[in-house]
Amino acid sequence: EDKVVQSPLSLVVHEGDTVTLNCSYEVTNFRSLLWYKQEKKAPTFLFMLTSSGIEKKSGRLSSILDKKELFSILNITATQTGDSAIYLCAVEYSGGSNYKLTFGKGTLLTVNP
Amino acid sequence: DGGITQSPKYLFRKEGQNVTLSCEQNLNHDAMYWYRQDPGQGLRLIYYSQIVNDFQKGDIAEGYSVSREKKESFPLTVTSAQKNPTAFYLCASSIRGPGTEAFFGQGTRLTVV
Repeated sequence: EDKVVQSPLSLVVHEGDTVTLNCSYEVTNFRSLLWYKQEKKAPTFLFMLTSSGIEKKSGRLSSILDKKELFSILNITATQTGDSAIYLCAVEYSGGSNYKLTFGKGTLLTVNP
Repeated sequence: DGGITQSPKYLFRKEGQNVTLSCEQNLNHDAMYWYRQDPGQGLRLIYYSQIVNDFQKGDIAEGYSVSREKKESFPLTVTSAQKNPTAFYLCASSIRGPGTEAFFGQGTRLTVV
């Protein structure tokens, strides 16, 4: 059973469009939610969210977490072809003395010129 | 420079052979992870380790083994028991503690021929 569910799985837009990517989760002992961008090989870190309702922003990207409804969104405004990538959502949660980082399947974003 | 190094980048293996993937980090991180990525599957956790000489099974540990004899190193062995080993393997590390981002290596693409 998937603990982290991302939607949509793929998305095609035109340059300049605004996109919203979704990530819902169902875990116990939640610690944090992280967003990554994967263009070729290694995912690169975008945001880490631990508190509800506080928007994190970096340029045209922003993200927010809702711990009551158990989801997060990643917004990209004025998309560019360089935004084309797989966007991964991961949730960190603990079980006893250990904690795990579990990823969703990712959203493949394609931005066409 | 600090970072995570995975080797080799590409690896070919004959069916029935064991193969070991290397992951080394010089970030002084306590936690290390191995993920497998297949098309449309996102990242699935194979094994993770919080501290030296301790590791835990992830969601898809069958057919894999790991060791953590040194803080810097977390090698993954893909055994002949793994029924479908052809995949892209990513290693990551993070500072131990809640809500810390994971840094990824560049990955190893394993192909069984």
